[in-house]
Amino acid sequence: DAMVIQNPRYQVTQFGKPVTLSCSQTLNHNVMYWYQQKSSQAPKLLFHYYDKDFNNEADTPDNFQSRRPNTSFCFLDIRSPGLGDAAMYLCATSPRGDTSYEQYFGPGTRLTVT
Amino acid sequence: GQNIDQPTEMTATEGAIVQINCTYQTSGFNGLFWYQQHAGEAPTFLSYNVLDGLEEKGRFSSFLSRSKGYSYLLLKELQMKDSASYLCAVMDSNYQLIWGAGTKLIIKP
Repeated sequence: DAMVIQNPRYQVTQFGKPVTLSCSQTLNHNVMYWYQQKSSQAPKLLFHYYDKDFNNEADTPDNFQSRRPNTSFCFLDIRSPGLGDAAMYLCATSPRGDTSYEQYFGPGTRLTVT
Repeated sequence: GQNIDQPTEMTATEGAIVQINCTYQTSGFNGLFWYQQHAGEAPTFLSYNVLDGLEEKGRFSSFLSRSKGYSYLLLKELQMKDSASYLCAVMDSNYQLIWGAGTKLIIKP
């Protein structure tokens, strides 16, 4: 089945220790998104890629970076995680970024910072 | 600024009907989405409205009034598995989704 896959599902990292979250998709969608979601809050868009064009949201901290080496894969790097970065990180895809399509979400990675 | 408002929490009884409201103010409008999110899981798509009126899909219906900046999600014949958060999201003029914080729906037997 075509899907959005995120690994790992649960990640524990130490304060200040770099961590990378991964996302892959078999949907062949052009657009990929990274969201951060904290408990009982709306998903917050961190980045999105339209093909290889990278779009950084204005309020995304510099501590967060992203890479998309090809259509299928996208990575979220947190250079120096702080306690406030503990959250669910959601990867989503969409066929196009210039029309109204639904977004397809992966299962998420729950990040704990100790 | 852009804003999506929905109630924080609602409670309903199994077998009953519940309506979850959403009001929005956004820069442009390219449609409104409703997603369901169970605790600790990713959102899953429920419905999409871009024209005024009611869209029915099984037990779930979604209504939109663009002039009022208003939508609702109607859930009929509630089941225990419907206990979840329901997120309203509006696609703005740049085709970016503006998300509400979600309405936590608690279903009681």
